[in-house]
Amino acid sequence: EAGVAQSPRYKIIEKRQSVAFWCNPISGHATLYWYQQILGQGPKLLIQFQNNGVVDDSQLPKDRFSAERLKGVDSTLKIQPAKLEDSAVYLCASRHYKTGRNETQYFGPGTRLLVL
Amino acid sequence: AQSVTQLDSQVPVFEEAPVELRCNYSSSVSVYLFWYVQYPNQGLQLLLKYLSGSTLVKGINGFEAEFNKSQTSFHLRKPSVHISDTAEYFCAVSAPNTGNQFYFGTGTSLTVIP
Repeated sequence: EAGVAQSPRYKIIEKRQSVAFWCNPISGHATLYWYQQILGQGPKLLIQFQNNGVVDDSQLPKDRFSAERLKGVDSTLKIQPAKLEDSAVYLCASRHYKTGRNETQYFGPGTRLLVL
Repeated sequence: AQSVTQLDSQVPVFEEAPVELRCNYSSSVSVYLFWYVQYPNQGLQLLLKYLSGSTLVKGINGFEAEFNKSQTSFHLRKPSVHISDTAEYFCAVSAPNTGNQFYFGTGTSLTVIP
């Protein structure tokens, strides 16, 4: 089966600009996650969707970050305005929802963001 | 909540030598445990996972890990490493019935020296 798709792979912007990342999960995966991975650290969860509803966005900086999954399939993560400390890799992951198959998250290749 | 500690940030090892990457976790409930590998400029790839049952788990590329509940550890091992094993390795923990949120360690950079 096709994996998790993300675009763009790389993005360079200046601080205070806006940026958006796109993710298309594995077909049939109801749960979708966005992670932020700062250089030298492990991924940190930003937001979790179940279908088109938000399950957990407690670590999402809501003053500048937003995410949506309107039709319960692909998702967009936006940063507006960007700060220097937002430079990181943004990873999207998805998970199946059926019992016995729902414990593993599958990751996309990530979007590497550099804010200058 | 759960947490993960990866004790070694960098591990250099000679080719064909054995390696162990250490992972300890903290949780008040039963957990699932995972090891992921990240090659440069790529996403995370699942190496192996422990859900229940046998405490010795075998994964891809010759890796294995042992779940030790009393020591709250899930160390990753490989008897003979290859140059291609050079990558970043992440240990992660999740708890069933809590949304399966993953908590990752800070990663261990494995460098295989020819």
